[in-house]
Amino acid sequence: DAGVTQSPTHLIKTRGQQVTLRCSPKSGHDTVSWYQQALGQGPQFIFQYYEEEERQRGNFPDRFSGHQFPNYSSELNVNALLQGDSALYLCASSLDGRAYEQYFGPGTRLTVT
Amino acid sequence: AQSVTQLDSHVSVSEGTPVLLRCNYSSSYSPSLFWYVQHPNKGLQLLLKYTSAATLVKGINGFEAEFKKSETSFHLTKPSAHMSDAAEYFCVVSEFPGGYQKVTFGTGTKLQVIP
Repeated sequence: DAGVTQSPTHLIKTRGQQVTLRCSPKSGHDTVSWYQQALGQGPQFIFQYYEEEERQRGNFPDRFSGHQFPNYSSELNVNALLQGDSALYLCASSLDGRAYEQYFGPGTRLTVT
Repeated sequence: AQSVTQLDSHVSVSEGTPVLLRCNYSSSYSPSLFWYVQHPNKGLQLLLKYTSAATLVKGINGFEAEFKKSETSFHLTKPSAHMSDAAEYFCVVSEFPGGYQKVTFGTGTKLQVIP
């Protein structure tokens, strides 16, 4: 039973560029949440997708957008990258639009130079 | 408003001695509470969860946590530390205001285990 997978593992981008991160949820899970974890900080909630819709959103600008596909996989897009966007981006999956128990992927380390 | 406070940013214990990682929370609803562990360059792993059942919750790797509503605390304990326990630990509160889930992470406690 595959857990949550994320790609790529690492990414280096330049300020102003755009990036797409990908997540496949744990088998049987239909809900995907994205988090940003800056160095030395706890994860911050970006948004959650359920039934291909963004259900809720944390305090992140519109430069952060996402998508969920019919197979429940998800993408996180960040436009006009800033150096402050450098962080570990974590994807978590859960069931039925709730997250009593979330399973996290290993994350994508994004560095913006 | 929902919030989580992890009272210690760093905790250092000797191998074989007890571990105590402290967490206080505030919530306007009946929250669910979790502890996650993150080893270096790894994702987050769920240690244990409280979801309004028994107040003493047992998790993986010998960890336990007790939900104390009167003290708004959810401290994580382990009787005897192992070298492999060295990692960062996050306390998490989850509630459902207005039917949508809100998840808040604490800032983390880095556990050092001294041989």
